[in-house]
Amino acid sequence: DAKTTQPPSMDCAEGRAANLPCNHSTISGNEYVYWYRQIHSQGPQYIIHGLKNNETNEMASLIITEDRKSSTLILPHATLRDTAVYYCIVRTVSPYTGANSKLTFGKGITLSVRP
Amino acid sequence: NAGVTQTPKFQVLKTGQSMTLQCAQDMNHEYMSWYRQDPGMGLRLIHYSVGAGITDQGEVPNGYNVSRSTTEDFPLRLLSAAPSQTSVYFCASSYATGYEQYFGPGTRLTVT
Repeated sequence: DAKTTQPPSMDCAEGRAANLPCNHSTISGNEYVYWYRQIHSQGPQYIIHGLKNNETNEMASLIITEDRKSSTLILPHATLRDTAVYYCIVRTVSPYTGANSKLTFGKGITLSVRP
Repeated sequence: NAGVTQTPKFQVLKTGQSMTLQCAQDMNHEYMSWYRQDPGMGLRLIHYSVGAGITDQGEVPNGYNVSRSTTEDFPLRLLSAAPSQTSVYFCASSYATGYEQYFGPGTRLTVT
């Protein structure tokens, strides 16, 4: 799976949009971009994923650049409960090989939402 | 649905003791896996299973055994605990290989 690069930390004000960047310059054509987050001491939580089109769900939006070498997770109205470590993960999705389901977690980006 | 449950939440072992960490899911998911998380590090895959009766090793399998006799349960056994196994252990499940994974609350294990 391709490697991802995220800044170590960022902060934003409560109620404002949080834009979390991720670089994945070696991504290949069959690799998806996944985002998970881990709120202090809890298990990771799935947020969103995408291949090349922008995606939106009830939690967040995912913007993937046209060349797919970077992406941005957007939390439109950050709250204090969004303070967490956010992981950007690139992985192949194959129904044939169980190992391709593994999630390779890096150190992620620590988002601090301030009141 | 309870989702993914793990027991115990906390455990302290002495070096050389054995124990089993329990993981269960009630979502009829085929794929289950175990990760460990050490301070300041990301999660590392220990073992995984693509269905009942099928298991395979992840990136850090040494010192751990698994079995999958039912779809619901995926216990992780520590054969002879070592201080290096002090960690937080997370179990995860997904509908099938390649789908998003749902994680349990974790078991915090200390080996003295």
